[in-house]
Amino acid sequence: NAGVTQTPKFQVLKTGQSMTLQCAQDMNHNSMYWYRQDPGMGLRLIYYSASEGTTDKGEVPNGYNVSRLNKREFSLRLESAAPSQTSVYFCASSDYRFHTEAFFGQGTRLTVV
Amino acid sequence: EDQVTQSPEALRLQEGESSSLNCSYTVSGLRGLFWYRQDPGKGPEFLFTLYSAGEEKEKERLKATLTKKESFLHITAPKPEDSATYLCAVFKAAGNKLTFGGGTRVLVKP
Repeated sequence: NAGVTQTPKFQVLKTGQSMTLQCAQDMNHNSMYWYRQDPGMGLRLIYYSASEGTTDKGEVPNGYNVSRLNKREFSLRLESAAPSQTSVYFCASSDYRFHTEAFFGQGTRLTVV
Repeated sequence: EDQVTQSPEALRLQEGESSSLNCSYTVSGLRGLFWYRQDPGKGPEFLFTLYSAGEEKEKERLKATLTKKESFLHITAPKPEDSATYLCAVFKAAGNKLTFGGGTRVLVKP
């Protein structure tokens, strides 16, 4: 009963490096989300995918790209990491058709030096 | 523009001292309001969903209520294990996205 699984849990990058954060859910949810959480800023939406095959920008999309690989998987890519992208990243999923709650992964703590 | 504001930012309580957290929102076409609990180093954990004004939900020492402009999370006789950050979020059908408030950090001292 895994729910939402994120990998990796921790990552340190050098400025300019690229990486992809992986997220998978096993609850057959339509919608998936990527948030970042910074001290004092709450959870801010980066990108979301309302359903398979669609993606949309959230509040803070600059510097990120996403791919909804299939119904289960939604990845977040940093093409050229910057120190301002140091944050904790959370993936979540929900079934928007029934306006139900979103379930979250355990987060990826990313540090860009 | 949609906004979700939580107050206070932080709350220090003595064990047994009841209090309330506020979540005010300006969202058109609200489809649901959610409360989450987040412990340090972990992802948010779902607590309640409220769909319409007047609705109330309870779970142990927590009770959530909803009006047309705000929601309250009441903590009755809290215990140290209730210490956490409490987040509220709103879901609107247009755009299918979940927007969070900044959270309230609650510390309950024995």
